[in-house]
Amino acid sequence: EVQLVESGGGLVQPGGSLRLSCAASGFTFTTHWMHWVRQAPGKGLVWVSRINSDGSGTTYADSVKGRFTISRDNAKNTLYLQMNSLRAEDTAVYYCAGANYGDYYIDYWGQGTLVTVSS
Amino acid sequence: QSALTQPRSVSGSPGQSVTISCTGTSSDVGNYNYVSWYQQHPGKAPKLMVYDVSKRPSGVPDRFSGSKSGNTASLTISGLQAEDEADYYCCSYAGRYTWVFGGGTKVTVL
Repeated sequence: EVQLVESGGGLVQPGGSLRLSCAASGFTFTTHWMHWVRQAPGKGLVWVSRINSDGSGTTYADSVKGRFTISRDNAKNTLYLQMNSLRAEDTAVYYCAGANYGDYYIDYWGQGTLVTVSS
Repeated sequence: QSALTQPRSVSGSPGQSVTISCTGTSSDVGNYNYVSWYQQHPGKAPKLMVYDVSKRPSGVPDRFSGSKSGNTASLTISGLQAEDEADYYCCSYAGRYTWVFGGGTKVTVL
């Protein structure tokens, strides 16, 4: 059974930092591109970032570029999102998501972790 | 990276068909056959329903079908059922390994 389990969410002050983790199991992590997608309360899905299979290629939405860093540890089957200079508008549920190598759609989704940026 | 445009809501009676449109630009929907659709029930994670414009993953009923014309993609749900009531999101590859989602459409079964 495929499982993506996010952790690390919580309450953080504006300007603060947070690191999200996503533990993957039940599929071959090393052959999957991985994404972060977020959803503000009551709003729609927004693509945040993607990393390729070996971690050598990363891309970001303009809204987070320069503040967020996606990375992965294939030895630990874990995806990360380092979030710096957080703003109120970054408040959202952050989903970890997987796509088979070369596929331009998302196969697997985690249950999400809530990040709240507020003073 | 502007969001794709979807209607806020659509509705239909059980057994009817509904179609959700997803309008992008020549830089995303119009330029790639990489449109996918996701279903999301309240409090749940999204679920893939259609990929590569019109392909269905195994396990997704054939009541769900996708198509594309120019800069607009569409998802049609035929034979609407109560369990189809959910939010639906389109997503398109936008080049240079970036993606863009639509704003979402709430499907109501009357």
